[in-house]
Amino acid sequence: SQTIHQWPATLVQPVGSPLSLECTVEGTSNPNLYWYRQAAGRGLQLLFYSVGIGQISSEVPQNLSASRPQDRQFILSSKKLLLSDSGFYLCAWSQEGPGYTFGSGTRLTVV
Amino acid sequence: GQQVMQIPQYQHVQEGEDFTTYCNSSTTLSNIQWYKQRPGGHPVFLIQLVKSGEVKKQKRLTFQFGEAKKNSSLHITATQTTDVGTYFCAGVDSYSGAGSYQLTFGKGTKLSVIP
Repeated sequence: SQTIHQWPATLVQPVGSPLSLECTVEGTSNPNLYWYRQAAGRGLQLLFYSVGIGQISSEVPQNLSASRPQDRQFILSSKKLLLSDSGFYLCAWSQEGPGYTFGSGTRLTVV
Repeated sequence: GQQVMQIPQYQHVQEGEDFTTYCNSSTTLSNIQWYKQRPGGHPVFLIQLVKSGEVKKQKRLTFQFGEAKKNSSLHITATQTTDVGTYFCAGVDSYSGAGSYQLTFGKGTKLSVIP
């Protein structure tokens, strides 16, 4: 069966520090991968999506970037975090079937 | 761009009462999906509706897709404390031509159930 792993679960980082969040999917090949951010426990904002290795589309211009170095690995990065980057970051995958499968998320607090 | 509005934002109900959340899109949708997020958790896919006027049931949950494929609703009969969480609808614009990665989420309805 397919599983999605996301880590770390929580992270507290100072302003100006770098960020790297990793997401991996098991049990499937060539999934569509997504990074979402959820602020204040509410709406989901799509940040990036990827339909294949090295293929990244950005939905919102911001202080973040994403990479997909391997088929089932999706990484969210920042060179210098801002206070406004705080939030709940969720990785998700999908394929031909309906619905997205979300990872357990990373709660990032920038201080 | 496409917007998906969801009402109400919050709903407090007594256990055993019914609950309904409504979802409206600014554009016609090719399909609509519903997710549930428990407090402190991540969204979990519940169901997808594709056909105009479609109605699907999952135990006490009834999902409807409007005839014009621009609105949807989720109705829970006789709520239980296990229903607590935020319910999101998410739609795919039928004109986006870009596949499922153009899923746009509503802001969700947060349901509280008073025992």
